[in-house]
Amino acid sequence: TQLLEQSPQFLSIQEGENLTVYCNSSSVFSSLQWYRQEPGEGPVLLVTVVTGGEVKKLKRLTFQFGDARKDSSLHITAAQPGDTGLYLCAGVFAGAGNNRKLIWGLGTSLAVNP
Amino acid sequence: EAGVTQFPSHSVIEKGQTVTLRCDPISGHDNLYWYRRVMGKEIKFLLHFVKESKQDESGMPNNRFLAERTGGTYSTLKVQPAELEDSGVYFCASSQGTGRINYGYTFGSGTRLTVV
Repeated sequence: TQLLEQSPQFLSIQEGENLTVYCNSSSVFSSLQWYRQEPGEGPVLLVTVVTGGEVKKLKRLTFQFGDARKDSSLHITAAQPGDTGLYLCAGVFAGAGNNRKLIWGLGTSLAVNP
Repeated sequence: EAGVTQFPSHSVIEKGQTVTLRCDPISGHDNLYWYRRVMGKEIKFLLHFVKESKQDESGMPNNRFLAERTGGTYSTLKVQPAELEDSGVYFCASSQGTGRINYGYTFGSGTRLTVV
């Protein structure tokens, strides 16, 4: 059973299109992070959101944490071929105290075609 | 600042053999984590060190896995004896921070372990 459902699993779009990736859970998270992973490398942190309703922007990427802190989305505007990669969401359960182990989604493999 | 270093990057061993993975965290990072991704599944937590102490080892699959962090610096993860289902990519990550503040993790490139 996936504790953090990430969708879509695969996405192939044309350069210039917009896209949204979703992470959903029935559990509340104290924080949620988005990572990007390239082949043969480890995940690289893009952003951390900690407050319900929080919106963060990183150039053409917009991250939102749901009001109830159970879900998050990543929106990319005008996707570029350089955005191609695996996007992962990961969160820390609320009430975990000092235990900050991450619960991961399966990832979204994004291909942006020129 | 050097990142998190893991080696070997790849390891192919036979079932029943022993393999030791090593992780060098970013200097000064007290928190060190091991994660594993099995093909087709999500990344899963194995254990968490704070300095040299095991804070949480609830994700360790069984007693064939032994993790150590001598002196609170580098860490090793030994699998003995290895089984086919141990194949996957093992990631190490380190972070600063204490308490409930969530600092970002820095991950190593991982060790791809194949047990044949």
